[in-house]
Amino acid sequence: EIVLTQSPGTLSLSPGERATLSCRASRSVSSSYLAWYQQKRGQAPRLLISGASSRATGIPDRFSGSGSGTDFTLTISRLEPEDFAVYFCQQYGSSPLTFGQGTQLEIK
Amino acid sequence: QVQLVQSGAEVKKPGSSVTVSCKTSGDTFRSYSINWLRQAPGQGLEWMGGIIPIFGASDYAQKFQGRITFTADKSTSTVYMELRSLRSDDTALYYCAKDPRFQDYTSSPNYFDYWGQGTLVTVSS
Repeated sequence: EIVLTQSPGTLSLSPGERATLSCRASRSVSSSYLAWYQQKRGQAPRLLISGASSRATGIPDRFSGSGSGTDFTLTISRLEPEDFAVYFCQQYGSSPLTFGQGTQLEIK
Repeated sequence: QVQLVQSGAEVKKPGSSVTVSCKTSGDTFRSYSINWLRQAPGQGLEWMGGIIPIFGASDYAQKFQGRITFTADKSTSTVYMELRSLRSDDTALYYCAKDPRFQDYTSSPNYFDYWGQGTLVTVSS
């Protein structure tokens, strides 16, 4: 199965700053079938990005995804207070689908 | 508005079974696959498998084969996940989640656009 490694484990930033989160796959993700989710404490995951770069319905344009092959990035251009949460990547290019361990984005 | 409403928290003994329900709308039940995932405390997400409710056809992750069963009740548009022979490491938040592909019955992996609120299952003696 494809192992996804997210870095950093924890990212400490201030509102207004730019956040760059990384997701690296153990082998190439077919057709850039990679998704990103946001999870706040006590809540279910919320879909942000699919297909590596397509924002889900209702997701602000400060969230963007990029990458292909084995290296993918989620960028939040200007952090809002509500963006501080855990972010997971997920590949669905091969079976079984798998998730990264998450990046905790915390307020500095 | 798509809603997936799960049953409440459960506390189980090792070796027992648990059944978690996920109530959907009729449209969701008829046209989309529903998947089950879990998240152990402080851990990432793990896919357990999926079901096409209208057909009752299931696909299970290899790790859970023989220990898990998904079922669907058309009369209530509800999907069920039964996990047997529970162990302490089955303690987790269990989620149902909807695949966004309309009437796609291929069982190929995908992402999920709507999730239930989660059901905490605690396995403890």
